[in-house]
Amino acid sequence: DIQMTQSPSSLSASVGDRVTITCRASQSIGTYLHWYQQKPGRAPKLLIYTASSLQSGVPSRFSGSGSGTDFTLTIYSLQPEDFATYYCHQTYNIPDTFGQGTKLEIK
Amino acid sequence: QMQLQESGPGLVKPSETLSLTCTVSGASISTHSWSWIRQPPGKGLEWIGLLFFSGSTNYNPSLKSRLTTSVDTSKNQFSLRLSSVTAADTAVYYCARRGPSSVADVWGQGTTVTVSS
Repeated sequence: DIQMTQSPSSLSASVGDRVTITCRASQSIGTYLHWYQQKPGRAPKLLIYTASSLQSGVPSRFSGSGSGTDFTLTIYSLQPEDFATYYCHQTYNIPDTFGQGTKLEIK
Repeated sequence: QMQLQESGPGLVKPSETLSLTCTVSGASISTHSWSWIRQPPGKGLEWIGLLFFSGSTNYNPSLKSRLTTSVDTSKNQFSLRLSSVTAADTAVYYCARRGPSSVADVWGQGTTVTVSS
């Protein structure tokens, strides 16, 4: 299985900050990497697909980049509704695997 | 607009079989592929398996020996059966559409299943 390692596991930031979350794959996955946001008690919501494509309806302050083994999710100018847990997800090989999550908290 | 809704018993006894159904509205089940994903309490996401619209399947090897999935096109539903459950199978279970590049782009709201006697 492809291992997905996210960092950091948790992060404290303030409204207006720029934050970056990284995801590293244990082998090259091209751009078969997707990012989700999850709030407590809710299903994950797709933010970014194939590493850098913004899902329809997602604010443009969310941005993804990377290819191969190293990927980043950047949130420019954090808003109060952005405090949540973020997961990366690879679909290059079956079984799909997810990162362990990054919890973004208010400082 | 496509919507997915999971349903099934919220409580299952150890060693029994967990059965869940995902009902799809706003789209034909026959023209898409579908995934099951679960999340134990306080933990991350685990991919369970997928059903292609052709009827073929791919399962997580860690669950494969206990897992069965099926599709009912007449009801626009697909289902999951997980046998010999233990407390480790306690989780929120999600169904999702497997979209382009296999991304999970539409999710159900999730259903909580507790394995306990």
